[in-house]
Amino acid sequence: DADVTQTPRNRITKTGKRIMLECSQTKGHDRMYWYRQDPGLGLRLIYYSFDVKDINKGEISDGYSVSRQAQAKFSLSLESAIPNQTALYFCATSDWEQGLETQYFGPGTRLLVL
Amino acid sequence: DAKTTQPPSMDCAEGRAANLPCNHSTISGNEYVYWYRQIHSQGPQYIIHGLKNNETNEMASLIITEDRKSSTLILPHATLRDTAVYYCIARLNTGGFKTIFGAGTRLFVKA
Repeated sequence: DADVTQTPRNRITKTGKRIMLECSQTKGHDRMYWYRQDPGLGLRLIYYSFDVKDINKGEISDGYSVSRQAQAKFSLSLESAIPNQTALYFCATSDWEQGLETQYFGPGTRLLVL
Repeated sequence: DAKTTQPPSMDCAEGRAANLPCNHSTISGNEYVYWYRQIHSQGPQYIIHGLKNNETNEMASLIITEDRKSSTLILPHATLRDTAVYYCIARLNTGGFKTIFGAGTRLFVKA
């Protein structure tokens, strides 16, 4: 969905480097999420934020940190990248539309840690 | 969120109906059944949801058993572009999407 954008779309980095993945949305949603997906597996929740002042750990937050700079921006950082953080990362937003909480995903960032 | 179980993969001939099952035997009375799909490493896309009644929209139909312990997503006339991983999720319609997306069902639509 073009309303949720992620940068970069692809990134190669080396072990030990600090990197940031950025997510922006124009949907005006308060709730934002970061997931990772490993080959052949489903999505696992890293962090989520229900508003600018709210940050919560997900299932696999170790080795990651986030920053909610504004309603529209939610960044994911890998403080010291390691090879097993090689994965596809998705940002998502959610809100209520016609009585249903609906979630929208960005296009994903493919990260390779050497 | 209730645990869901789906077959790892299914095949379907182009033009035929694709019926994707999901078991959610521990679903609570106020948890909805949601279906998403993910096409080749793109972000997951919402398809349909339901609570008790069968539902239909422009993409698919959702059949929920009377005891709500299982459901079936139906793509009435599958096309090659429907080849994707389909995720079944049972969750409350509130509280945010802290749900873990499982492995889902990989549907192959063949010409």
